[in-house]
Amino acid sequence: QKEVEQNSGPLSVPEGAIASLNCTYSDRVSQSFFWYRQYSGKSPELIMSIYSNGDKEDGRFTAQLNKASQYVSLLIRDSQPSDSATYLCAGPMNTGFQKLVFGTGTRLLVSP
Amino acid sequence: DAGVTQSPTHLIKTRGQQVTLRCSPKSGHDTVSWYQQALGQGPQFIFQYYEEEERQRGNFPDRFSGHQFPNYSSELNVNALLLGDSALYLCASSRWGTGLVNQPQHFGDGTRLSIL
Repeated sequence: QKEVEQNSGPLSVPEGAIASLNCTYSDRVSQSFFWYRQYSGKSPELIMSIYSNGDKEDGRFTAQLNKASQYVSLLIRDSQPSDSATYLCAGPMNTGFQKLVFGTGTRLLVSP
Repeated sequence: DAGVTQSPTHLIKTRGQQVTLRCSPKSGHDTVSWYQQALGQGPQFIFQYYEEEERQRGNFPDRFSGHQFPNYSSELNVNALLLGDSALYLCASSRWGTGLVNQPQHFGDGTRLSIL
């Protein structure tokens, strides 16, 4: 099993809808997570971090962490075409908290 | 407030050559991590520097080496380049974290390395 797994997509949603992006992780990953957004040809941009079980909201973004199920998600409300990008989930390895391991990313397409 | 800066932006090399990539961390950050991102993949951790020492290392051969300077800037060196080294090389900076709190890492724009 990979340390962090994501569906590569693409996930297609209409403008104004809620986009739900999901990520699962193994026992080798410590339980704090980061969501990065990466536009084509650009570098990853940090958009959310979550350290404890439950939900964390920031504007149109909500990150959810379920430690029992080893599952983390990102909800984007009122999706806009400018949200179209690849979303990367990342968590630190148990063997080194600063060693981030990334999923392969989910490509999100928001259609007008 | 300057973010993470990397140079050069693009680089073309041939097999067997050596390359040096440079990174300056975000103001207030003391830790630099390097990642390799192949097309269609997530970034892969190469290594991390703090207090001028390599603190963590990923599954990369010894051809990949690095350095951190007293001003926290860092270099990534790759020797004996292979075609498979073609990728986007990303530098990320953060504050050194202790205990169970993992500090967020912020990425630079990357260096796109092409090997011919």
